[in-house]
Amino acid sequence: DAKTTQPPSMDCAEGRAANLPCNHSTISGNEYVYWYRQIHSQGPQYIIHGLKNNETNEMASLIITEDRKSSTLILPHATLRDTAVYYCIVRVPGGSNYKLTFGKGTLLTVNP
Amino acid sequence: EAQVTQNPRYLITVTGKKLTVTCSQNMNHEYMSWYRQDPGLGLRQIYYSMNVEVTDKGDVPEGYKVSRKEKRNFPLILESPSPNQTSLYFCASSIRRLFTDTQYFGPGTRLTVL
Repeated sequence: DAKTTQPPSMDCAEGRAANLPCNHSTISGNEYVYWYRQIHSQGPQYIIHGLKNNETNEMASLIITEDRKSSTLILPHATLRDTAVYYCIVRVPGGSNYKLTFGKGTLLTVNP
Repeated sequence: EAQVTQNPRYLITVTGKKLTVTCSQNMNHEYMSWYRQDPGLGLRQIYYSMNVEVTDKGDVPEGYKVSRKEKRNFPLILESPSPNQTSLYFCASSIRRLFTDTQYFGPGTRLTVL
């Protein structure tokens, strides 16, 4: 799995968009970008994933640069319940026997 | 509701007393896995299972056993727990489908071994 780099922490005001960056300069052609989050001591939660096109679902949007070396997770209207550690993971679907390798992630704090 | 359940959610036990943490999923997923999470070490995979009767070691299998007799259940067994197995444990499951392997995690089991 390609290595990822994320800022250790970010703050966001409630109701504003939260933009979480992730660098993955060594990503290979068949690797996808996945985002998970973990609210304090709860089980990690899948958010979104993509290969090269921008993706959107009910939780978030994923913007992947054209060279695929970086991406941004966007929470359009952050709420207090979005306070969590966000993990960017680059991997081949089903690779490594489906094992997920979580880095240190970004602690997003949403402030009232 | 699609979910992964774990029981118990909290457990305090003593060294050497066998215990089982249950994991069950209702999504008909082939793949299931156990992770432990410790401060500063992140999530580490203990065991995984690709399907019924197919299990294999993850990164930290020592001191643990698993079984997969039914598709929905994947219990984690600690035959003789020790204090270094004090941790937060998560079960996860996933469908095995080309280009997607979204994983669903249980709520966690916080285990303390005295």
